[in-house]
Amino acid sequence: DAGVIQSPRHEVTEMGQEVTLRCKPISGHNSLFWYRQTMMRGLELLIYFNNNVPIDDSGMPEDRFSAKMPNASFSTLKIQPSEPRDSAVYFCASNPGVSTEAFFGQGTRLTVV
Amino acid sequence: EDKVVQSPLSLVVHEGDTVTLNCSYEVTNFRSLLWYKQEKKAPTFLFMLTSSGIEKKSGRLSSILDKKELFSILNITATQTGDSAVYLCAVESRAGNNDMRFGAGTRLTVKP
Repeated sequence: DAGVIQSPRHEVTEMGQEVTLRCKPISGHNSLFWYRQTMMRGLELLIYFNNNVPIDDSGMPEDRFSAKMPNASFSTLKIQPSEPRDSAVYFCASNPGVSTEAFFGQGTRLTVV
Repeated sequence: EDKVVQSPLSLVVHEGDTVTLNCSYEVTNFRSLLWYKQEKKAPTFLFMLTSSGIEKKSGRLSSILDKKELFSILNITATQTGDSAVYLCAVESRAGNNDMRFGAGTRLTVKP
């Protein structure tokens, strides 16, 4: 398996534009997590899904952020409109279920100018 | 609100030293604690701990959990420059149905 795959690896966009980050979890994994990492706030859990269903989105910063998981092999995190303070590395991770290690993708480095 | 607190935030040692990294937590219905190492990119898994007092070991790294006092330690003996990284602690809660929340991490720098 190729592991968790995220795209794009880098994204530079102008303030106000829509940004869509993509994630393909490891096949057979039931849980998917979206994290945001910054120097100031560390690794923050934004939202996670179990069996494609969003379980807890309390970490999503604002209504500008939304996430979907239309099927077991694909998830998106969308920011509309983007702002400079959204600049961070966004990680997607998946695991087979409870009490199992989560595997991380390589992250998307987002820069909003 | 669930909390995961790591200390110290940063640490500089010399090769050959032994280090102890700390992780304390306040979590509703604790399920497991995990340690990850993050170098330049994605965090990579080190250990998962679910039971108190049972040491997990991998080479020069070891970790143990105390569920009564709500903390875990990660030990690295005979440190090498390749151990330089951010070490992250995460806690999984039953209440959240498998959510996994991270501490801020400890940045370890090992000098030659």
